[in-house]
Amino acid sequence: GEDVEQSLFLSVREGDSSVINCTYTDSSSTYLYWYKQEPGAGLQLLTYIFSNMDMKQDQRLTVLLNKKDKHLSLRIADTQTGDSAIYFCADVLPEFLYDKLTFGKGTLLTVNP
Amino acid sequence: NAGVTQTPKFRVLKTGQSMTLLCAQDMNHEYMYWYRQDPGMGLRLIHYSVGEGTTAKGEVPDGYNVSRLKKQNFLLGLESAAPSQTSVYFCASSYLPLAGGPPYEQYFGPGTRLTVT
Repeated sequence: GEDVEQSLFLSVREGDSSVINCTYTDSSSTYLYWYKQEPGAGLQLLTYIFSNMDMKQDQRLTVLLNKKDKHLSLRIADTQTGDSAIYFCADVLPEFLYDKLTFGKGTLLTVNP
Repeated sequence: NAGVTQTPKFRVLKTGQSMTLLCAQDMNHEYMYWYRQDPGMGLRLIHYSVGEGTTAKGEVPDGYNVSRLKKQNFLLGLESAAPSQTSVYFCASSYLPLAGGPPYEQYFGPGTRLTVT
C-alpha cells in the first residue's frame, strides 16, 4: 500500500529557516498536504500543492515538489516559537467514494529562542 | 460556527467496557471521518460516511462500529474495549468531493484521548 515517510524531529533556532522533508510512494497522488498539529489540538491544513506543480509559496511557507523522486518539502522562513508543532505530510489518492489521505508519522518541530 | 466538536475530551475505560464517542459538525458537510492517532504514527482512517444513513470501512475498522443517523453527527462505538484501542481519536468532516475536481479540506476536531486499562 501507499507509504508516506518523514523525519521525526527537527530543531531550529528562532529566526532560522526550517525545512521538513517527506517522501511518498504512489505516483498517482493527486494532491499533497501539509497539516500542522499544535499540542492538544486537532490537525489544521497548512498548505497543499497539486501534483502537477513544482512549487507553491504562501507568505512564509514554500512547498517544493519533485514528482520524479516523489519528494515533498515544506520550508518555513523566519521560524518563530509559535511554529513549534508537529507537521504531517499527507498524500491524496482518489478512491471510489472518497479521497484517501495517507499520513506520514509527523515531524516534531522545536523552535528554540 | 463551532466547526467540528468531539465529546468527551478524555476517557478511561476498563477492558471489556463499551463507550460511544460523539462527533458533531455545523458546516453542513456531507462527509465525515473517524481517525485514530497512535504515538509515532500518522493518522489512520477507521470508518467514514459519505452522507446521512451511510457508513463505510476505512483502513483499521476492526473493533469499532459507527452510525450516522443525522447529517451533523457521526458516532464511533467500541463494544468491548481492548488495550490496543488506547489512542487519540479524531473526527473530521468535509464537503462532497467533485468528480475530477480538487479534494475538499478535511476539518478536524480537537480529539478524544482514550485509555483502556
